[in-house]
Amino acid sequence: GENVEQHPSTLSVQEGDSAVIKCTYSDSASNYFPWYKQELGKGPQLIIDIRSNVGEKKDQRIAVTLNKTAKHFSLHITETQPEDSAVYFCAAHQAGTALIFGKGTTLSVSS
Amino acid sequence: GAGVSQTPSNKVTEKGKYVELRCDPISGHTALYWYRQSLGQGPEFLIYFQGTGAADDSGLPNDRFFAVRPEGSVSTLKIQRTERGDSAVYLCASSLGQELTFGSGTRLTVV
Repeated sequence: GENVEQHPSTLSVQEGDSAVIKCTYSDSASNYFPWYKQELGKGPQLIIDIRSNVGEKKDQRIAVTLNKTAKHFSLHITETQPEDSAVYFCAAHQAGTALIFGKGTTLSVSS
Repeated sequence: GAGVSQTPSNKVTEKGKYVELRCDPISGHTALYWYRQSLGQGPEFLIYFQGTGAADDSGLPNDRFFAVRPEGSVSTLKIQRTERGDSAVYLCASSLGQELTFGSGTRLTVV
């Protein structure tokens, strides 16, 4: 089955800096790669996703990149703000199967 | 409703007791997922329904765990003879395609 590895487990940045979180997956059949943000006491919330026919996707300050050959995908947050502080999860999925999550990255943005 | 609703939000039970956790998905979503999240970990897949049937129950840890979705909408996760190790946040998500929307979870504490 699918296995997703996520690094780093914790990340501390200064407000305004960029943050990068990296994930690898094992199943080459996976074709959908979402990123979720989870705040304390809440369920994970989808912030951006990418499909295997696309190499990069941007939405304002966040972007995701996908390297299918290497089975790597990354989340990039630019101009970080204190409200970006949360736990971020990457995940991998193929239709008809379960979405498999990484272990999460705790991002702390200090002002 | 507008989102995925999970009840109760918190449940404390004694070791050995039976518990039921309820999930109301977004109206019209055909797929429903249950995940378990322990402190500091990513969501761990338990079971996935497509309509009324369990499409994949490979994540259920043992036969004390069971889930139903009799009418293809509301789902109930049932845990028999609870153990302290069952303490976690149980998350439910629903989807129409590959994008999952999560509820806020039920925090189960077994004492």
